[in-house]
Amino acid sequence: QLQLVQSGAEVKKPGSSVKVSCKASGGDFASFAISWVRQAPGQGLEWIGVIVPLFHTTKYAQKFQGRVSITADEVTYTAYMELSGLTSDDTAIYYCARGVNIDVWGQGTTVIVS
Amino acid sequence: DIHMTQSPSSVSASVGDRVTITCQASQDISTNLNWYQQKPGKAPNLLIYDASDLETGVPSRFSGSGSGTDFSLTISSLQPEDIATYYCQQYDNLLPGTFGQGTKLEIK
Repeated sequence: QLQLVQSGAEVKKPGSSVKVSCKASGGDFASFAISWVRQAPGQGLEWIGVIVPLFHTTKYAQKFQGRVSITADEVTYTAYMELSGLTSDDTAIYYCARGVNIDVWGQGTTVIVS
Repeated sequence: DIHMTQSPSSVSASVGDRVTITCQASQDISTNLNWYQQKPGKAPNLLIYDASDLETGVPSRFSGSGSGTDFSLTISSLQPEDIATYYCQQYDNLLPGTFGQGTKLEIK
């Protein structure tokens, strides 16, 4: 059964960048879409973008265009989300998740910008 | 980006009530819509995919309908364990995309 295990919590300074990893185990990684979704404290879910490793296809929400980069390493079964130009508004839990109909979620990575 | 508008933003209902949440897309998305349930401190859980298909293991009191731009999620008989926040999410070209802003469901 596929599991997605994310990297640990981060504390960042405003203006810096953060790179969060998401390692897949127990299932086929390359052929599924891997989305990144965030949730600020007390707020709703916000979709950031997606990658399909098999086709090297990415799509980003307009809000994050130019500031986010989603990549995947098919050798290590790891996806990455890098967000630059951090502000306090980027403080959130960041999730990776599998599929178009998302059925598997990572445990979440807390990013605090302060 | 396709914009998703959910309503209401919160709803209070009694156990046994029928509850309906709606979601409107800013453009035609056919039936490319998912519904998720999220309980506090947990990751979301897929309830409905392709607008009306029930995910395996989800109670049959949950149902989804709609196509094009207008969609709804219905709970036929509200149970205490259904207290959560519900989100719709559109997908197009087989790529997942934007969520609605969420509907918080509370027990009266």
